[in-house]
Amino acid sequence: DAGITQSPRYKITETGRQVTLMCHQTWSHSYMFWYRQDLGHGLRLIYYSAAADITDKGEVPDGYVVSRSKTENFPLTLESATRSQTSVYFCASSELEGSNQPQHFGDGTRLSIL
Amino acid sequence: QKEVEQNSGPLSVPEGAIASLNCTYSDRVSQSFFWYRQYSGKSPELIMSIYSNGDKEDGRFTAQLNKASQYVSLLIRDSQPSDSATYLCAVNGAQKLVFGQGTRLTINP
Repeated sequence: DAGITQSPRYKITETGRQVTLMCHQTWSHSYMFWYRQDLGHGLRLIYYSAAADITDKGEVPDGYVVSRSKTENFPLTLESATRSQTSVYFCASSELEGSNQPQHFGDGTRLSIL
Repeated sequence: QKEVEQNSGPLSVPEGAIASLNCTYSDRVSQSFFWYRQYSGKSPELIMSIYSNGDKEDGRFTAQLNKASQYVSLLIRDSQPSDSATYLCAVNGAQKLVFGQGTRLTINP
């Protein structure tokens, strides 16, 4: 039972570079989510997706791009990384109606931008 | 006003005692409530779901929901050092969950 996997687990890059964080789930859950977690801010929703080809902005979408061509994958791209995007990023998924179902989280990607 | 509020702690409880974690929410139509545990450097892990008023017990954990007061709590009986973690309260919103900032719990041996 692989569940939800994120890659890479750790990434160091430089400002201005493009970086993509991958998220893959094996449950066939409809909903997928990207969060960032920083000290003092808790979990903040970046983007979410209700199904393939349907995405919507969360609380902090600026500087991020998502796509969902397949149900099982939900990559997050930082088009031009900035130091303020240094954070821990979590992907999550839930089945059916997203808000009434619990979300299940991946192990996270720790991203450092120098 | 924050939609989901938790005391950030730290909350310090002696081993074997009951730890009580509290959460209030602002949206009266919320129907689903969840507690997650997050160890340092790890991802949030679902430990309890509650949908109806009253208590729900699962092992040493009890979730309590009072929709009239817009209040949900988590009790941990016989607290163990392994319960030391940050506990996140989550409440359903439009298509997504709204998370509180979490309460850091420390169990002292």
